[in-house]
Amino acid sequence: AQTVTQSQPEMSVQEAETVTLSCTYDTSESDYYLFWYKQPPSRQMILVIRQEAYKQQNATENRFSVNFQKAAKSFSLKISDSQLGDAAMYFCAYMSYKLSFGAGTTVTVRA
Amino acid sequence: NAGVTQTPKFQVLKTGQSMTLQCAQDMNHNSMYWYRQDPGMGLRLIYYSASEGTTDKGEVPNGYNVSRLNKREFSLRLESAAPSQTSVYFCASKAPSGVTEAFFGQGTRLTVV
Repeated sequence: AQTVTQSQPEMSVQEAETVTLSCTYDTSESDYYLFWYKQPPSRQMILVIRQEAYKQQNATENRFSVNFQKAAKSFSLKISDSQLGDAAMYFCAYMSYKLSFGAGTTVTVRA
Repeated sequence: NAGVTQTPKFQVLKTGQSMTLQCAQDMNHNSMYWYRQDPGMGLRLIYYSASEGTTDKGEVPNGYNVSRLNKREFSLRLESAAPSQTSVYFCASKAPSGVTEAFFGQGTRLTVV
């Protein structure tokens, strides 16, 4: 069974600065997909970024980028130029035949 | 464009009562999921359905049953609610391609007293 671990329950970042969220996963599969989702207080789940495991190139979406280390089973999210609207809970997710989530990291942005 | 629709949004149950959470999606997705979200534990998978007519247990299936009525609908039933089932429940659906995102309903906040 695959597990997803987010070791940082909370992270705080100054507006315009950079923050990195950690995620590790455990799997015996070779083909899978990884995601970061954002959940603001509205409870809506919003996809931030996705990564195919067979792609070595790290995914980027505007201010969001990942550092995917397949051998280390690590998938961290970097938020650059943090904005007040980035404040939310962030979930790392793993997908092979089912979609599993980590416990989440709450990000607060200081003005 | 409705996406994934869950009903109800809020519910209070007494211990021992039963209820069904409804979920429907209009995106023609094969895969559907039920999760519960508790503080500090993220989203935990209760049951999932890879296609119409199939269901499988997730991490925390005890106390729940599901029905994949057709391709659109995937319901979650609590036969005898317990206070430990107080949680926020999310339904999600996903297309077969692995890299495509999952779409979530707005969640149901369930309180069992």
